Amino acid sequence: QVQLQESGPGLVKPSGTLSLTCGVSGGSISSSDWCIWVRQPPGRGLEWIGEISHRGSTSYNPSIKSRVIVSQDKPKNQFSLELTSVTAADTAVYYCARSEGGSVVYWGQGILVTVSS
Amino acid sequence: QPVLTQSSSASASLGSSVKLTCTLSSGHSSYIIAWHQQQPGKAPRYLMRLEGSGSYTKGSGVPDRFSGSTSGADRYLTISNLQFEDEADYCCETWDSNTRVFGGGTKLTVL
Repeated sequence: QVQLQESGPGLVKPSGTLSLTCGVSGGSISSSDWCIWVRQPPGRGLEWIGEISHRGSTSYNPSIKSRVIVSQDKPKNQFSLELTSVTAADTAVYYCARSEGGSVVYWGQGILVTVSS
Repeated sequence: QPVLTQSSSASASLGSSVKLTCTLSSGHSSYIIAWHQQQPGKAPRYLMRLEGSGSYTKGSGVPDRFSGSTSGADRYLTISNLQFEDEADYCCETWDSNTRVFGGGTKLTVL
């Protein structure tokens, strides 16, 4: 049973950098389709942020592409998100996820990140 | 890139059936989608993968009450014998080589 767990600070200052890590258990990220980050602002729907393949290829949402980096650490079986120059609009629950056959199949439990001074 | 359109809300009575719709944008009617359920205060849960042919594959532990179907650019999620625990947001997802898209979600109320 694949399980994902997000970790990182729950509070980030405006103009700072949001950094999150997703630990994966029950399956190697080397065998994944894609390792994915999705966010959900309060009261709103899901927004794709970006993803990385097991080969290291990345794709990002064009709306935030200039501020996002998704990376992976295969020995630690984890992947990470960096979002720079954050504002209050980046306040959201951040989910890590894994795909199989193209679609998201496994979701983390989510972590609330608040951008505030 | 594809766009997914969903109604913002739906409601149905306990024990009845409901059919939720996710519509693919023009030029993307053959795309595969996935349905996800998000109960209040919880993370999303994968329900099924639904192809343009109407064939669907459900995730582990998804009850038989959940089924999928297709008509043209429309992808449907049907829930039979509605239970109070089915009250949730239902979101569709699609993807291609460079992007991944989620629909806005439909909030289902069980009366």
